[in-house]
Amino acid sequence: DGGITQSPKYLFRKEGQNVTLSCEQNLNHDAMYWYRQDPGQGLRLIYYSQIVNDFQKGDIAEGYSVSREKKESFPLTVTSAQKNPTAFYLCASMWAVNTGELFFGEGSRLTVL
Amino acid sequence: AQKVTQAQTEISVVEKEDVTLDCVYETRDTTYYLFWYKQPPSGELVFLIRRNSFDEQNEISGRYSWNFQKSTSSFNFTITASQVVDSAVYFCALSDLKAAGNKLTFGGGTRVLVKP
Repeated sequence: DGGITQSPKYLFRKEGQNVTLSCEQNLNHDAMYWYRQDPGQGLRLIYYSQIVNDFQKGDIAEGYSVSREKKESFPLTVTSAQKNPTAFYLCASMWAVNTGELFFGEGSRLTVL
Repeated sequence: AQKVTQAQTEISVVEKEDVTLDCVYETRDTTYYLFWYKQPPSGELVFLIRRNSFDEQNEISGRYSWNFQKSTSSFNFTITASQVVDSAVYFCALSDLKAAGNKLTFGGGTRVLVKP
């Protein structure tokens, strides 16, 4: 089945550690996105990528990094510089940039201990 | 700057009642898309509808209906005869078609709890 796979589903991290969240899609979509979800705040855009080897900062990119070496993969690294990393992270893709319709993964919940 | 406001943070209804979710948006653009997404307990957001700013016709899909009023910048969503499976968080979103990457701006979400 086509879709977006995020892993791990749950992740615990000690303060000061970097952690990488995986996002893989087999929908052949060009654009991919990372959102952060906090209670009552909706979704906020961290990074997005429209094509391979290119990505752009979203509204809250500080403390995060991404790469887009392959069309199907868009991993997100939460670095130790992110001051409040505990959140629910959602990866999404879009088949054509002018449609606006996002397809989402099931999310990764990161908890910093 | 674009903004989407969902004033209702949580709505609780009994099964078979109708429930309306409000969405008010702000944008300076004349061309944009509006969306509704559903987030069930499993976590992934599921696309429900996209509406172009030029199309103000209301839309009905089964028990779901949407009321788009450009004059009041609102895009409200009604679930008729609610069911327990409708329990989820619902997000309204706005897309600027001219912005790079076609980024969506999301509202804060409305949690709907349908009790049997």
